[in-house]
Amino acid sequence: SQKIEQNSEALNIQEGKTATLTCNYTNYSPAYLQWYRQDPGRGPVFLLLIRENEKEKRKERLKVTFDTTLKQSLFHITASQPADSATYLCALERDSNYQLIWGAGTKLIIKP
Amino acid sequence: DVKVTQSSRYLVKRTGEKVFLECVQDMDHENMFWYRQDPGLGLRLIYFSYDVKMKEKGDIPEGYSVSREKKERFSLILESASTNQTSMYLCASRSGQALYGYTFGSGTRLTVV
Repeated sequence: SQKIEQNSEALNIQEGKTATLTCNYTNYSPAYLQWYRQDPGRGPVFLLLIRENEKEKRKERLKVTFDTTLKQSLFHITASQPADSATYLCALERDSNYQLIWGAGTKLIIKP
Repeated sequence: DVKVTQSSRYLVKRTGEKVFLECVQDMDHENMFWYRQDPGLGLRLIYFSYDVKMKEKGDIPEGYSVSREKKERFSLILESASTNQTSMYLCASRSGQALYGYTFGSGTRLTVV
């Protein structure tokens, strides 16, 4: 069955450094991969989508890479700030049927 | 600002009650989804809908039903609430354009006692 793995342990990063989160998947060839941010008690907020034929995508301080050979996506936040502290979820999508398979998320803590 | 609005942030219901969770989106999106989120289990899909009056079962539909009479509204119904349905319920919508992500509501924290 399809499986997505994100680091279940919280990631502690010093303010100003680059935070890197990992999303690994198995038994799957997704057409798209998405990253979301979720704050406690709130719904996830869409950040970035990357297609299988794209290696990298950027949005302001965010960068996502997608390696279909390694079956891995990396999510980077440069110049991290305490306000970036949240849980970050990755999700895979099959073609265009709009259903997503979700990772459990990684909690990111940026220390001042 | 585009929105998905869920009718209640917090809800407490008794076992056996019929519970309605309402979700409204103002983006004219075709696709709408209901998830529940529990610690350690992540987001699990209950039901989704591609269009008005259409519905499809997700991964955990047992004990739930849905209604989509209008494009902007997608309702989740717990036919007879049970304590194991205590959870955070999240509604989401998405346009037919595949390159856009989901827009989620703020969630409804349901407690069944």
